[in-house]
Amino acid sequence: GAVVSQHPSRVICKSGTSVKIECRSLDFQATTMFWYRQFPKQSLMLMATSNEGSKATYEQGVEKDKFLINHASLTLSTLTVTSAHPEDSSFYICSARGLAGSDTQYFGPGTRLTVL
Amino acid sequence: RKEVEQDPGPFNVPEGATVAFNCTYSNSASQSFFWYRQDCRKEPKLLMSVYSSGNEDGRFTAQLNRASQYISLLIRDSKLSDSATYLCVVTHVYTGGFKTIFGAGTRLFVKA
Repeated sequence: GAVVSQHPSRVICKSGTSVKIECRSLDFQATTMFWYRQFPKQSLMLMATSNEGSKATYEQGVEKDKFLINHASLTLSTLTVTSAHPEDSSFYICSARGLAGSDTQYFGPGTRLTVL
Repeated sequence: RKEVEQDPGPFNVPEGATVAFNCTYSNSASQSFFWYRQDCRKEPKLLMSVYSSGNEDGRFTAQLNRASQYISLLIRDSKLSDSATYLCVVTHVYTGGFKTIFGAGTRLFVKA
């Protein structure tokens, strides 16, 4: 299947700093990328949908000024958690959809963010 | 009511057992259905798509019942390596795009 990479895989930062997470589709062009967050023992929660070259669409309750998403190319989307706080500690996972006619999403390996 | 509902389990079964999971969805306009598998602290991985005609892949069989709005996953001859959380996933199209909804997952433990 298609390959999606995510970097970094793990990050620990101090409260108040910003963290950038990259999501890349390695062997296909992803017209749409999704960012999810998953707290322990809970389901994946969609944060936002990003289409290449346009503004991301955020889910209700997700602050767009805190979670900045950039989808500058067909193979790269970034999520920046600005002024991170301990409650932002979570597992952030991106997925990509791009194969024509397919609803299948391919997930990156995730980034575990810990804010101290 | 959640858009996609699953029994969280856990299901504890011995090796070799057959186990079945069900998932219900509320949006009758849903178009695509999938089962994903997620191991602890890992990302979800696509297990199989689900069709009305049924879909079988080795020991795994998935079925869709549109009339009753549920999908099922059957695992035969369970292996220790099948221990994971199984996510039911439903997509539907709406004005402006399409949306993917994940169930909360069903946890399976296969024991020797």
